Amino acid sequence: KAGVTQTPRYLIKTRGQQVTLSCSPISGHRSVSWYQQTPGQGLQFLFEYFSETQRNKGNFPGRFSGRQFSNSRSEMNVSTLELGDSALYLCASSLYGANTEAFFGQGTRLTVV
Amino acid sequence: QQQVKQSPQSLIVQKGGISIINCAYENTAFDYFPWYQQFPGKGPALLIAIRPDVSEKKEGRFTISFNKSAKQFSLHIMDSQPGDSATYFCAASKDTDKLIFGTGTRLQVFP
Repeated sequence: KAGVTQTPRYLIKTRGQQVTLSCSPISGHRSVSWYQQTPGQGLQFLFEYFSETQRNKGNFPGRFSGRQFSNSRSEMNVSTLELGDSALYLCASSLYGANTEAFFGQGTRLTVV
Repeated sequence: QQQVKQSPQSLIVQKGGISIINCAYENTAFDYFPWYQQFPGKGPALLIAIRPDVSEKKEGRFTISFNKSAKQFSLHIMDSQPGDSATYFCAASKDTDKLIFGTGTRLQVFP
């Protein structure tokens, strides 16, 4: 069974640009959550999508948005990039949500210069 | 109320020793407590998880101890090996709400 796939693995963007990250969950999983990981703040929850609907949202500004498609694949978009957005962005897929087994992808390392 | 406090921040253990990482929470509504292991350059991998209806769960060399009254849970790694050197995160959630992660513990196991 294929794991969670995140693309791209690495990205370098300039301040002010926007970026889209992609996550393909494990087949059959309907929940996809996104997390930002930084050395200073640890793993911070961004949002969760379940059956194409945003079900939970973290405390991030509106520049961070996401969506989920009918095949459960999810994308995350960050507009007007700031230096502080440099981080490892991780997605996790699970069958029904946070209190069921969640499997993480390898992440997308975003560097904003 | 939503925080999960994890300690220690870093841990050095000799090969064959026991590694113990502790987490504490405030929200009594949490009903799922997983532990994740993360190697450099990789995403976190689910190691073991427990629900509040049991006080202990063991999988191989990894054991979760859960103390509901104290609102604490801990990970014990028996016979620690150099290959266990990684960062460990505890987490908690309620229902289908988000996972709240602890700040992580960097474990180093020396031969």
